[in-house]
Amino acid sequence: GEDVEQSLFLSVREGDSSVINCTYTDSSSTYLYWYKQEPGAGLQLLTYIFSNMDMKQDQRLTVLLNKKDKHLSLRIADTQTGDSAIYFCAERRSSASKIIFGSGTRLSIRP
Amino acid sequence: KAGVTQTPRYLIKTRGQQVTLSCSPISGHRSVSWYQQTPGQGLQFLFEYFSETQRNKGNFPGRFSGRQFSNSRSEMNVSTLELGDSALYLCASSLGDPTGTNYGYTFGSGTRLTVV
Repeated sequence: GEDVEQSLFLSVREGDSSVINCTYTDSSSTYLYWYKQEPGAGLQLLTYIFSNMDMKQDQRLTVLLNKKDKHLSLRIADTQTGDSAIYFCAERRSSASKIIFGSGTRLSIRP
Repeated sequence: KAGVTQTPRYLIKTRGQQVTLSCSPISGHRSVSWYQQTPGQGLQFLFEYFSETQRNKGNFPGRFSGRQFSNSRSEMNVSTLELGDSALYLCASSLGDPTGTNYGYTFGSGTRLTVV
């Protein structure tokens, strides 16, 4: 199937780390993405990782990929109020142009 | 360079009417994909156009259609609108070659359609 699953909500305290998890079903998925959507806006690509990588770090963002378990996570260090948004995990197979999105995780920040 | 432009930003239509939404991709991008976003169903893939041809299609009824012009601009049309068509319609553009390592989507801000 083409399912990408995420938990719907995550609440963290400002300054803590946020970890958003995602599982996917297609073992041939080669590219995995994280997108961010702020209220009233489209989706913004945050980062992506190839399936031959285990980890990718970009400033406050760390992506971990466990290909055996088909599990992807996004860690946001030192979470700020501006990180409040919906985060979408997405997958794509190498030869396919269609990207399949998860349902999104709404991240809320408490003081 | 300019981003992905979707027009209009907001639309209100009545049941039974039809609607046309427009998307101008990033210059040089040849692929345009359309998604429907609703609170209940999340992001649902509608279709993708590449070089004026539909390359992929999602599971939507025939009331939903699209096309792409030679300048890569795309339109999607929904006929005989139903209340359930109320959603945010997002357009995404990409270079179009999925074998490229920098392949990815750039999204527009969307068109919010309300059917009353």
